[in-house]
Amino acid sequence: SQQGEEDPQALSIQEGENATMNCSYKTSINNLQWYRQNSGRGLVHLILIRSNEREKHSGRLRVTLDTSKKSSSLLITASRAADTASYFCATDSVDSSYKLIFGSGTRLLVRP
Amino acid sequence: DGGITQSPKYLFRKEGQNVTLSCEQNLNHDAMYWYRQDPGQGLRLIYYSQIVNDFQKGDIAEGYSVSREKKESFPLTVTSAQKNPTAFYLCATRQTSTDTQYFGPGTRLTVL
Repeated sequence: SQQGEEDPQALSIQEGENATMNCSYKTSINNLQWYRQNSGRGLVHLILIRSNEREKHSGRLRVTLDTSKKSSSLLITASRAADTASYFCATDSVDSSYKLIFGSGTRLLVRP
Repeated sequence: DGGITQSPKYLFRKEGQNVTLSCEQNLNHDAMYWYRQDPGQGLRLIYYSQIVNDFQKGDIAEGYSVSREKKESFPLTVTSAQKNPTAFYLCATRQTSTDTQYFGPGTRLTVL
């Protein structure tokens, strides 16, 4: 079952611009995590935000969480060509025994 | 990818054959997970194990089997009962203190 749904499905921007990806989910969560996947590779953990947090930063990444709207956003500032990848949100629901449920991802292309 | 290894990187199987995918970790994490990823899709949970000698079915366990005899190892067998096994398979561990999941590099299975 898909819990998180990312929007947009694909995003193409110029190097230096900001990229914003959104994630919506359906049930109450313990935390929400964002991952990056380069083509044909494993997933790399970017950031985890807990249900009692509203915003977190890590380098050029900023994640927000709105539990009332059941949504999260990932902002990548000053994008680089190396940021080209697929980005997934994953939710850890309160009744899921630490199982992550992934969305279908946003494919980001950063043009040099 | 950290301390998680998956082998082989590519695997080809004839219809009717069982194959076993290896996942080994040296992170000393108790929980381990197997996910399946189809092209352009997010990850779906096959099986997970919170502790040695214990495992539970995920959302798409039919046609798969696992064992967890050692903390370091969580092999996945794709049986002939799995109707459409061609996919990218990802193993993960969870760090209890942070709830973060870490992923291996994946195994791409193709049925000929």
